[in-house]
Amino acid sequence: GDSVTQMEGPVTLSEEAFLTINCTYTATGYPSLFWYVQYPGEGLQLLLKATKADDKGSNKGFEATYRKETTSFHLEKGSVQVSDSAVYFCALSGGYQKVTFGTGTKLQVIP
Amino acid sequence: GAVVSQHPSWVICKSGTSVKIECRSLDFQATTMFWYRQFPKQSLMLMATSNEGSKATYEQGVEKDKFLINHASLTLSTLTVTSAHPEDSSFYICSAGVRDGTDTQYFGPGTRLTVL
Repeated sequence: GDSVTQMEGPVTLSEEAFLTINCTYTATGYPSLFWYVQYPGEGLQLLLKATKADDKGSNKGFEATYRKETTSFHLEKGSVQVSDSAVYFCALSGGYQKVTFGTGTKLQVIP
Repeated sequence: GAVVSQHPSWVICKSGTSVKIECRSLDFQATTMFWYRQFPKQSLMLMATSNEGSKATYEQGVEKDKFLINHASLTLSTLTVTSAHPEDSSFYICSAGVRDGTDTQYFGPGTRLTVL
């Protein structure tokens, strides 16, 4: 079945540091890929998405590129802020709207 | 656009009572909604798929008689935790999809249930 593997956290960075959170997936066919962010005590917010190979999703300075050859969708940001502290979930949808989530990576940005 | 709301945001109840959680799509119609459960510091576990006008589809291991799901309209799904016990305490999140060909899910803000 479908699965998503993302790097374990927590990830602790200083403000303005470069962020990479790795995500790889296993799926049949051509899934859509997503990054969701969850702030403490809140639900999930869609951060960005990509629907086909080589697509780049971007939002709020975050980027991720759909790499079919490496089955990856790594999340990057050039300069993180304290307000980016949250849990980030990589996810895929292989159809019928069902979403498979990774385990989540907690990011902590310190001033 | 694509806003999903949940009510209540938090609830505390006594063991043995039932609790109803509402999930609404505010600016779109959703023929399918999903209910998830999230344990502390863990990922989301899909509990069931709620289908408008028909029975919900439950994931393996989820008690359908305990977690009653009703999807009476295209904008409302409800999850009722019946005879709640402390082990049912959790964060419950619903989602709904916009049929734009990408299977994007939009999530509600979640409901924190505490059973005493």
